[in-house]
Amino acid sequence: EAGVTQFPSHSVIEKGQTVTLRCDPISGHDNLYWYRRVMGKEIKFLLHFVKESKQDESGMPNNRFLAERTGGTYSTLKVQPAELEDSGVYFCASSQEYYNRIQETQYFGPGTRLLVL
Amino acid sequence: QKEVEQNSGPLSVPEGAIASLNCTYSDRVSQSFFWYRQYSGKSPELIMSIYSNGDKEDGRFTAQLNKASQYVSLLIRDSQPSDSATYLCAVCTGANNLFFGTGTRLTVIP
Repeated sequence: EAGVTQFPSHSVIEKGQTVTLRCDPISGHDNLYWYRRVMGKEIKFLLHFVKESKQDESGMPNNRFLAERTGGTYSTLKVQPAELEDSGVYFCASSQEYYNRIQETQYFGPGTRLLVL
Repeated sequence: QKEVEQNSGPLSVPEGAIASLNCTYSDRVSQSFFWYRQYSGKSPELIMSIYSNGDKEDGRFTAQLNKASQYVSLLIRDSQPSDSATYLCAVCTGANNLFFGTGTRLTVIP
């Protein structure tokens, strides 16, 4: 079974440009999460989709970030316009619905390393 | 105050020794606890999950949870050089999203 995949693996852009990150979850996983790790800090939650609906977007830093999951399959995270502080590693994770919610396991992708110059 | 705290390390142990990794968390309503291992440039990989007080063993790994003390630990017995990685402690409060510590870098010396 294929794991969570993310594209691109690396992206270097200039301040003010737009970047779109893509995440393909494990097939059949309704839950999809985006997280971000900036240098020296912990991995932080950005948002959570259940199928195509945003369940929780409390971690999104500001309105320059837009996440979509049309059709409930893959998801994109667009940053427009990018700022220097957006640099970091963006992780995607997915999980299956589980009868006991606290025991859901999130499987992570390899991340996209974003550098804004 | 940080949600989840870990010593950043590096923690160095000789091959064959026991590596002990510790994590404390601040939110008393936390319900599930996870240890992820991350090799440089790779995905965080789940190695242990624990939900109840006490110990949970899986092969060379033992997770320990003490909710009263808001403390969770991971013991790695018979450490191998391949165990050298960053170990991330993650806590879920029930809202599904995970809160992570900054990770502890473990080096196992052959």
